[in-house]
Amino acid sequence: EAGVAQSPRYKIIEKRQSVAFWCNPISGHATLYWYQQILGQGPKLLIQFQNNGVVDDSQLPKDRFSAERLKGVDSTLKIQPAKLEDSAVYLCASSALARGITEKLFFGSGTQLSVL
Amino acid sequence: KQEVTQIPAALSVPEGENLVLNCSFTDSAIYNLQWFRQDPGKGLTSLLLIQSSQREQTSGRLNASLDKSSGRSTLYIAASQPGDSATYLCAVESGGSYIPTFGRGTSLIVHP
Repeated sequence: EAGVAQSPRYKIIEKRQSVAFWCNPISGHATLYWYQQILGQGPKLLIQFQNNGVVDDSQLPKDRFSAERLKGVDSTLKIQPAKLEDSAVYLCASSALARGITEKLFFGSGTQLSVL
Repeated sequence: KQEVTQIPAALSVPEGENLVLNCSFTDSAIYNLQWFRQDPGKGLTSLLLIQSSQREQTSGRLNASLDKSSGRSTLYIAASQPGDSATYLCAVESGGSYIPTFGRGTSLIVHP
């Protein structure tokens, strides 16, 4: 079974530039998550999708971050414009969760973003 | 708002020791708790998932327990090996949106 795919693996940009990350979840997984992990900290949820609808985006800085999940499969996360404090690893995860049935989270390898 | 704390933040032990990692959470109304392993520069790998109705789960040398009423979970690693060196994170799923909230992790080094 293929895992969660993310690209690019690394990205270096200058502040005020824009950047986009892509995620392809495990086939059939209804729920998709984007997490931000700053060095030395645990992952922080940015946005959670179920199919192509947003379940929670309360911690997404909406003035600069946006995310979409077209057709309930692939997802993209965009930052525009980037700030120095956005330097982090961006992790995508998916699960087969349907409400009331809890499943394991499967993570991709992440995209390491450096903002200079 | 759910908050998850992991103690200790770092641990260094000789090979062969039995270990206990701790995870505590503030809101006991959880759906499940997961323990993950993260190797440097990699994503997270789920080790054990404990449903809210369960008390413990076991996989090989790993055993995780859950005490919802006290807001605690422990991950027990038996006969530690250098290959166990990694960061271990716990995450609790709670709230109306089933949001997984992570702790900061315990960085484990097992030296030969």
